[in-house]
Formats: sequence, structure tokens, C-alpha cells
Amino acid sequence: AQSVTQLGSHVSVSEGALVLLRCNYSSSVPPYLFWYVQYPNQGLQLLLKYTSAATLVKGINGFEAEFKKSETSFHLTKPSAHMSDAAEYFCAVSRDFQKLVFGTGTRLLVSP
Amino acid sequence: NAGVMQNPRHLVRRRGQEARLRCSPVKGHSHVYWYRQLPEEGLKFMVYLQKENIIDESGMPKERFSAEFPKEGPSILRIQQVVRGDSAAYFCASSPGQGGGSPLHFGNGTRLTVT
Repeated sequence: AQSVTQLGSHVSVSEGALVLLRCNYSSSVPPYLFWYVQYPNQGLQLLLKYTSAATLVKGINGFEAEFKKSETSFHLTKPSAHMSDAAEYFCAVSRDFQKLVFGTGTRLLVSP
Repeated sequence: NAGVMQNPRHLVRRRGQEARLRCSPVKGHSHVYWYRQLPEEGLKFMVYLQKENIIDESGMPKERFSAEFPKEGPSILRIQQVVRGDSAAYFCASSPGQGGGSPLHFGNGTRLTVT
């Protein structure tokens, strides 16, 4: 069975500071990995995806994530936080790109 | 291009009533997925449908819940005799179904409140 663990239900940063959202996965097969962002009362928007082509994946809005098989991690980073980054972020794993298993989410708070 | 359209955005039902949630996928997408998000939780897979077929319903509660994706028209998630525990946000997603490289496109969800 596949699963995702997101460490920290809330992360607070100052505007301009580094953003680091943690995600560890469990999968018995090479996984597909995703980060989605959810703004209040909206659906999920894909930030980036890992499909085994490259371990460092660049996404939209300046976010990137690095796949580390040895650590079973897929942490999301952004060098400099912006107020508009405040949202909930979900990591997800899939074996076939169809049925995603989501983590419980991390709410990012950005203070001026 | 219109994305995934869900309606209604908000739905209030009394216990025992029926709830019908509609989802129109991205034009050209033939695969639809329903997910449920309970308060303070991530999304949980419910069901995966292709036109006129249920492919995987392993996440659907055994009773009161059903889903369809007819040849014509939107996909429907139906909840009969709703209970307070059904209160959640229900998200629909679609894909063209081409396997690897085809991420899901999500709608804005229907927020069901059972009173």
C-alpha cells in the first residue's frame, strides 16, 4: 500500500524567507509523486510532479522539489516566500497516475 | 478552455435527504475521479469512472453512495439518506486517461453540509 506523511500541519515563515514543506512517502513500486496547492474554497492546483525523469523537479510559482529515494522524501521548497504563497499544500503519491493517495496537508502561513 | 466544473458549490441537506453532486470534466477528458475531503484531512479517493463504466470504487462507502458517468452529461455522485458524517468537501477530477504524464485536473469542489 502507498502512503504519504507530511510533517507539520502548519508552517509559518516570514515574507522573503525560505519555504520548506516536508513529505515522506511509502511505496512498494517506483512512485509518481505530486505537490498540489489549495487556496481557500478552491480546488487543488498542480504545483509539480515527479515521474522519474529527473530527481529535481521545478514547478510553478518558483517552487521545486527533490526526489530522494534513499530518504523516501519529496520535500517542497521555495527560496523566498511571498504573501500569495499562503495556502494549504498537499503531497500525493500514485503508482499509476490515476488514483492518488494524499497526505493530510500543510498549511503555510506567511507573515509580512 | 473550461476546467472541471462542479455544481453546486455549496449544498445543504437535512439528515435523511438525498444529495446529488455534479461534475463536468474538462472537454475531451473521459476519466473522472471523485475525492472526499473531511475537515482538517487530506483528500480521500472514492471512485474512478470512465464513460458508462465504474473502474475502481474501492473508496466508496458500501451503502448510500453511488456514482455514474453516463455517455452524455455530467458525472453524478449521489448520496442517499445523508447523515451528519457526510458533511465534507467533495472534489471531482478528470484526466484524458493517457497514463503517465496526465495529471488530474481538479474542480473547485462541492461543500456539503448536513444539518
